[in-house]
Amino acid sequence: GAVVSQHPSWVICKSGTSVKIECRSLDFQATTMFWYRQFPKQSLMLMATSNEGSKATYEQGVEKDKFLINHASLTLSTLTVTSAHPEDSSFYICSATSGTRSDTQYFGPGTRLTVL
Amino acid sequence: GQQLNQSPQSMFIQEGEDVSMNCTSSSIFNTWLWYKQDPGEGPVLLIALYKAGELTSNGRLTAQFGITRKDSFLNISASIPSDVGIYFCAGRRGGADGLTFGKGTHLIIQP
Repeated sequence: GAVVSQHPSWVICKSGTSVKIECRSLDFQATTMFWYRQFPKQSLMLMATSNEGSKATYEQGVEKDKFLINHASLTLSTLTVTSAHPEDSSFYICSATSGTRSDTQYFGPGTRLTVL
Repeated sequence: GQQLNQSPQSMFIQEGEDVSMNCTSSSIFNTWLWYKQDPGEGPVLLIALYKAGELTSNGRLTAQFGITRKDSFLNISASIPSDVGIYFCAGRRGGADGLTFGKGTHLIIQP
């Protein structure tokens, strides 16, 4: 149990375009989802926290107008990278917690974004 | 954003040796977690620690939550080839908070 999926697993896009990444909890209801970014050979950095039905809370230094997060249901959160640029190329990873086990975060497999 | 101080950055060991890595923070965390990440994948939880002073084992892995709540260590005994990967510590302040990660320890095992 407690499986989190991400789609797509990798994406290549042109500079200036927007890319949407989905994060789904497959067998539990995720009251909270988190989005992290990981640059090559670096650690995971929290970008934002998303609660179902409410606006996301962004970490300092993360542009909310550039990284749009929607958590419209208890099983789906989306991250849209708007007007992507090469410096946005990174590994984006989501995690989710359930209402019954809010102390455990289950991570997705990540999405590799490459902006040309 | 904040990162935890994790050391060593990398380790080259022989198969069968024990491994030890640790994390420190300038601020208190109420939960400490240890993850392993393989290339191109998301991190997988190894051990979760919820109480200061707690010592928890998971097979060959043992981790402790420091009594000051500002540090934690992970030990791996009798390493095997599949232990290769990057290990991250992570701290969490509140139950609904995101995680603050360490910089990672890259474990390389020589047969």
